[in-house]
Amino acid sequence: DVVVAQSPLSLPVTLGQPASISCRSTQGLEFSDGNTYLHWFHQRPGQSPRRLIYKVSNRDSGVPDRFSGSGSGTDFTLKISRVEAEDVGVYYCLQGTHWPFTFGQGTRLEIK
Amino acid sequence: EVQLVESGGGLVQPGGSLRLSCAASGFTFSSYWMHWVRQAPGKGLVWVSRINMDGSDTTYADSVKGRFTISRDNARNTLYLQLNSLRTDDTAVYYCVKGGVDLWGQGTLVTVS
Repeated sequence: DVVVAQSPLSLPVTLGQPASISCRSTQGLEFSDGNTYLHWFHQRPGQSPRRLIYKVSNRDSGVPDRFSGSGSGTDFTLKISRVEAEDVGVYYCLQGTHWPFTFGQGTRLEIK
Repeated sequence: EVQLVESGGGLVQPGGSLRLSCAASGFTFSSYWMHWVRQAPGKGLVWVSRINMDGSDTTYADSVKGRFTISRDNARNTLYLQLNSLRTDDTAVYYCVKGGVDLWGQGTLVTVS
């Protein structure tokens, strides 16, 4: 199985400051159709995950533009330009290129 | 409204069975792969199974192969997961997920104890 390693696992951030989460996979994530199926999710306590970014860098509808995704191959990053209180929770990356699809371990973002 | 609503979770003894359902609405259910993902209490997300549009192609995580069965009824816009030979490590919230992973249900809790 493709292993997806997130870092850091815990991310204390001051309100208004930037934050960055890394996601690294053990195999390249470009599919035969040319797409790279690396997505980012946010999960608040007691809620279902919500997709923020799909195929590396595309923001979902309603996602603030302070969220951005980048990367290629095996190395990907989620950035929050200015953290707000509503951003707390756990962030997961997901590789949907190789079966079984696999998630990163999750990064818990908290406000300092 | 576009949504997925799971049901069927509950408390079951080791070795027991449950059938989870996921009712889809607001989109053309028969046009999408569908998936089940689970999350043990306080843990991360794990893919369980997937099924193609007409139900002819199914895939399972090694941890559930031979014990769980995914199926769908496109006439009823419903996805199913039959859970047999349940073990304590199957305890989790089970999420129904639309192909494209852009829509998740609220989850249903399965407790094996």
